[in-house]
Amino acid sequence: SAVISQKPSRDICQRGTSLTIQCQVDSQVTMMFWYRQQPGQSLTLIATANQGSEATYESGFVIDKFPISRPNLTFSTLTVSNMSPEDSSIYLCSARRGQGNTEAFFGQGTRLTVV
Amino acid sequence: QKEVEQDPGPLSVPEGAIVSLNCTYSNSAFQYFMWYRQYSRKGPELLMYTYSSGNKEDGRFTAQVDKSSKYISLFIRDSQPSDSATYLCAMGDTGRRALTFGSGTRLQVQP
Repeated sequence: SAVISQKPSRDICQRGTSLTIQCQVDSQVTMMFWYRQQPGQSLTLIATANQGSEATYESGFVIDKFPISRPNLTFSTLTVSNMSPEDSSIYLCSARRGQGNTEAFFGQGTRLTVV
Repeated sequence: QKEVEQDPGPLSVPEGAIVSLNCTYSNSAFQYFMWYRQYSRKGPELLMYTYSSGNKEDGRFTAQVDKSSKYISLFIRDSQPSDSATYLCAMGDTGRRALTFGSGTRLQVQP
């Protein structure tokens, strides 16, 4: 398994500001992902973080709103930009060692509240 | 139609009961199947993982896959209050990088 450290664990932010969430994996992984989880809901994939290149975003998510970096095989950041109360959610970092039959591991999540 | 359907619950059972959690899927390309457990205010943690039809047992947990019916189940025997959590099924295929998750079933085991 892999251990994923995510920080901050929670934050309360003013609308219009930006927050950067960091994700650190304890070993090299092929794939890293960012999810959003509304209270009581399942996981919604925001994007796949690609090492050394632009992230691949899912429908409904854009780079200007959720810029993502992945400078190496163990670290990624997600920025939530120009926040509004609708961005209040749990943001989860996930990683897989390889494509094919490999499981995904998750960080503890960042609970974001925008006021 | 969603690719993965999961009964959202909530499901409330007495301690010691056998719990059955289920997911159906429509994509024949899914080849491997996982169950995650998520406690409140925590990230999902992998519980069971299987890639073939049939049963896989791990302690009180049994994962069952029926690829012909596109149906997977997780059985929990002798359920405990500590099993109270949301259970998410997840599926993958070689063509996609991210797993596809069900909506999650919230389970409450009453002492």
